[in-house]
Amino acid sequence: RKEVEQDPGPFNVPEGATVAFNCTYSNSASQSFFWYRQDCRKEPKLLMSVYSSGNEDGRFTAQLNRASQYISLLIRDSKLSDSATYLCVVKGANFGNEKLTFGTGTRLTIIP
Amino acid sequence: DTAVSQTPKYLVTQMGNDKSIKCEQNLGHDTMYWYKQDSKKFLKIMFSYNNKELIINETVPNRFSPKSPDKAHLNLHINSLELGDSAVYFCASSQRPGSPFFGQGTRLTVV
Repeated sequence: RKEVEQDPGPFNVPEGATVAFNCTYSNSASQSFFWYRQDCRKEPKLLMSVYSSGNEDGRFTAQLNRASQYISLLIRDSKLSDSATYLCVVKGANFGNEKLTFGTGTRLTIIP
Repeated sequence: DTAVSQTPKYLVTQMGNDKSIKCEQNLGHDTMYWYKQDSKKFLKIMFSYNNKELIINETVPNRFSPKSPDKAHLNLHINSLELGDSAVYFCASSQRPGSPFFGQGTRLTVV
């Protein structure tokens, strides 16, 4: 099983719709989780951290399910500018283990 | 002001050459990283330094040698370049144990 697994998509979604992605991880001791977005030919940028209780930032909601070892990202009222690749990131279990493992990304295209 | 800056942005070179990529961060972070993103867009960590000390050294060929002269700089030197080294190399920094902030990337093409 891959350390971090995502559906590569592509997800083609009409503007204004709601879309959700999941990401599964294999190490049950993982402590930190993030969603990054990467535009074509650009660097990854932090979208949001994922907290145990779930968290929201505007139209974006991130959730963590430790029992099933997955995190999710929900985008409401999607905009054309949301078109990007969304990368799930999982961080090692120990303070001394700074290794972040990236998923291969889910490609999202918002259609006008 | 650019927070994490890498030079050069593009690098085209012949097989067998030696090249270096430089990275500097002005965020005051204590940890810096090199990541490689291959043609399939898979992003994988290569090295990480914390306060000039190597803390992550993934399985990469020893032709790749990082150097951190101070905690604001992390350079990557590559010897005897091969076709398979073609990729985008991202430098990043973070304040331990936070999430990394990435530079704009160096697109390396080996011909």
